This record gives sequence, structure tokens and C-alpha cells, in this order.
Amino acid sequence: AQSVTQPDIHITVSEGASLELRCNYSYGATPYLFWYVQSPGQGLQLLLKYFSGDTLVQGIKGFEAEFKRSQSSFNLRKPSVHWSDAAEYFCAVGELSFSGGYNKLIFGAGTRLAVHP
Amino acid sequence: DVKVTQSSRYLVKRTGEKVFLECVQDMDHENMFWYRQDPGLGLRLIYFSYDVKMKEKGDIPEGYSVSREKKERFSLILESASTNQTSMYLCASSSRPGSYEQYFGPGTRLTVT
Repeated sequence: AQSVTQPDIHITVSEGASLELRCNYSYGATPYLFWYVQSPGQGLQLLLKYFSGDTLVQGIKGFEAEFKRSQSSFNLRKPSVHWSDAAEYFCAVGELSFSGGYNKLIFGAGTRLAVHP
Repeated sequence: DVKVTQSSRYLVKRTGEKVFLECVQDMDHENMFWYRQDPGLGLRLIYFSYDVKMKEKGDIPEGYSVSREKKERFSLILESASTNQTSMYLCASSSRPGSYEQYFGPGTRLTVT
């Protein structure tokens, strides 16, 4: 079965510092990969996605992620963090539901980001 | 913009009560999903629906049922609420069977006492 691992439960960075959130997946074929962000009290918002092609993908809010097949990773990065980036971040992999032919997402446990002024 | 709304942001119910969580999307999406979110566990899929009156079990369907009588509305039902169902419940929708991209509602925080 597909799975997603986010090794870091909590990360704290200073405002203006760079950020990298780690994500490793387990999937047999070429994965469809996603990063979502959940601000306090809100639902999840899609930051970026990877389906194929260029392994470096750009997303909203200045985030980017790099797909590395050899490492089964899809790490999220931002060069300079803002206080408003404090949130919980979820990595997800798409899974085809063979019984119904419909697609699902398998989520990691999330990484909570705190930003110090 | 896609809008997914959930009927309540916070709910407090007693053990044994029947609980209905409602979700409505306004973009004519075929697929709708119910997740529960618990600290350290991320989001786990309870049920999803790919058409009106069609449903499929997710990873943790025990203790839950769903109803989809209209395309825009997907309800999660706790037949007899228990304290271990205290959680955040998130509804999502996606536009077509081949689409993985899901749009989420704000969530309902349910407390069962």
C-alpha cells in the first residue's frame, strides 16, 4: 500500500530564514504528489502538485518542491519564511482506487511550522 | 473559486447520539470525501462518493455511514457517537474521476462527551 512519511512533527524557524520540509513516499509507479497547507482554524489549501515533467515545481506563496525519484522524496522549500507561513503542512500521494476507478489521496501525518520573529 | 462549506465549525454531542455532519460544494464536482484529522495521524479517509447515491469505504469506515442524495451535498452520519470519534472532520470535493486535486472545507471539530 502507498504511504507518506513526514519525519518532522514540529519545526521552528526564524522569520527570514530558509525552510525545507521533508516528505518521503512509498509508491510503485510514478507518483502524483501534493503539498497542502492548513492555517489555524482553516481547511487545507493546495500549495503545489507534481504529476510529471520538470522535477522542480513552483507553487503559491513562494513555495517550491523537488521530486527526487532516487530518494522517493518530495521536499518542500521556501527561501525566506514569513510569519504568516506558520501553519501545518501535509504531503500527499495520489492513489488510484482500482475498485471504483476513482482517485484518492494518502496523506502524511503533517509537519507543524512555527515562525519566530 | 470552489467553495466547500460544512454545516458547523464546532459541535458537542453526547455518547450514543446520532450525529449528522453536512457538506455542500458549489462547483458541480462529482467526487466528495470525508476525512478525520487527528494529531500525529494526518488525514484519514472515512468514505468517499463518486456520484449521487454512490459511495465507497475509505480506510476507517467503522462507526460511520454516509449519504449523497444530491450531487452538491454529502453527509457523514455517526449512528451512535462514541468518545473515540472526537476529532476534526474535513470534507473535500474534486472535479472528475481522474482528478486528484481536492478542495477542502473549513472542518467541523466534533467533541463527544
